[in-house]
Amino acid sequence: AQSVTQLGSHVSVSEGALVLLRCNYSSSVPPYLFWYVQYPNQGLQLLLKYTSAATLVKGINGFEAEFKKSETSFHLTKPSAHMSDAAEYFCAVSDDKIIFGKGTRLHILP
Amino acid sequence: KAGVTQTPRYLIKTRGQQVTLSCSPISGHRSVSWYQQTPGQGLQFLFEYFSETQRNKGNFPGRFSGRQFSNSRSEMNVSTLELGDSALYLCASSSGTASSYEQYFGPGTRLTVT
Repeated sequence: AQSVTQLGSHVSVSEGALVLLRCNYSSSVPPYLFWYVQYPNQGLQLLLKYTSAATLVKGINGFEAEFKKSETSFHLTKPSAHMSDAAEYFCAVSDDKIIFGKGTRLHILP
Repeated sequence: KAGVTQTPRYLIKTRGQQVTLSCSPISGHRSVSWYQQTPGQGLQFLFEYFSETQRNKGNFPGRFSGRQFSNSRSEMNVSTLELGDSALYLCASSSGTASSYEQYFGPGTRLTVT
C-alpha cells in the first residue's frame, strides 16, 4: 500500500534562506508525485508534479522538487524564502488512489 | 474560467442529523474528488467520481456517500452525524482521473457538528 511521510509538521526559515520540506513515499509501482500548497482559508493549489519525464521538477513560485528513487524521496526546495511562502504544504503520491501527507506548515521569519 | 465552487461554505449541524454538501467542478472536468481535512488526520480521501461513476473510495464508513450528476456536479452526503465528522470538506475537480491529473480545489465547506 502506498503512503507518504512528511518530516516536520512545522518548519521555520528566515526570509531569504533556503526552504527544504521533506517528503518520503512508499509505492509498489512508479508513482505520480505532487506538491500542493494551501494558503489560509483556501483550497489546495498544485505547486508541481512528477510524472517520470525528469527527476528535477520545476513548479510555480520558484519551487522545485527532486525525485530520488533510491531514497524514495521527493523533497521540495526553494533557494530564497519570501514572506508570501508562509502556508501549509502537502506532498501526495498516487498510483491509483491519491494519498496526501499530513502537511508541513512553513513559517517565514522576518 | 470559473473555479471549483462549494456550497454551503459553513454549516452547523447537530449529532444524528444528516447533511448534503455540493460541489460544482470546473467546466469540462469529468472527475470530482472529495476529501476530509482535520487537524489531527490531515487530508483524507473520501471518494472520486468520474463520469457519474464512483471510481475510487477511501476508508470511511458507509455513512459517507456521494454521487455525480450528468453535468459533473457532485454531492456528498453524511448521515447520522457524529462529533468527529466536524471538519473541512474539500472538493477537487480534474480533467482526467485524480491520480494522474492536476486537481483544482474548491475553498471547502466547514462542517461543525454539535
